[in-house]
Amino acid sequence: GDSVTQMEGPVTLSEEAFLTINCTYTATGYPSLFWYVQYPGEGLQLLLKATKADDKGSNKGFEATYRKETTSFHLEKGSVQVSDSAVYFCALRTNFGNEKLTFGTGTRLTIIP
Amino acid sequence: DADVTQTPRNRITKTGKRIMLECSQTKGHDRMYWYRQDPGLGLQLIYYSFDVKDINKGEISDGYSVSRQAQAKFSLSLESAIPNQTALYFCATSDFPRTNEQFFGPGTRLTVL
Repeated sequence: GDSVTQMEGPVTLSEEAFLTINCTYTATGYPSLFWYVQYPGEGLQLLLKATKADDKGSNKGFEATYRKETTSFHLEKGSVQVSDSAVYFCALRTNFGNEKLTFGTGTRLTIIP
Repeated sequence: DADVTQTPRNRITKTGKRIMLECSQTKGHDRMYWYRQDPGLGLQLIYYSFDVKDINKGEISDGYSVSRQAQAKFSLSLESAIPNQTALYFCATSDFPRTNEQFFGPGTRLTVL
């Protein structure tokens, strides 16, 4: 079945550091890939997405590239801020059947000033 | 006002009690989902509904039931709550196929003693 494996946390970085959160997936066919962010006390919000191989999703300075050859969708940001502290979830959605999202376990990111 | 709302936001109950969690949306979406989130496990799909007459079990439906009272309302029930149902519960909507994004409510934190 479909699965998503993402970097275990927690991850603690200093402000302005470079961020990478790894995400790899196993899926049938050609899924769409997502990164969701969950700020404290809130629901999940879509951060970025990519729907086909080599697509790059980007938002709020975050980027991730859909790499079919390595089945990966790593999240990166060049200079993190304290406000980026949150839990980040990688997810995939198969493009047939029930269209459900399959989530990774989440990575808690803390940015210290 | 939030597009996807959940009530209650927090609930503490005892083993064996019947509990209903409610979800309402003003987005006009046909598809609605219930997920639970456990620490270290990401989100798991409980039930999903593609319209008022189409309800389907997800990965972990045992011990839960749902009701889609209208396009805008999707309720999750625990007929006889047990402690391992203590979790954070999220409702989500999707406007598939116009977008491939799911929109999440703020969550309900349920504790079963």
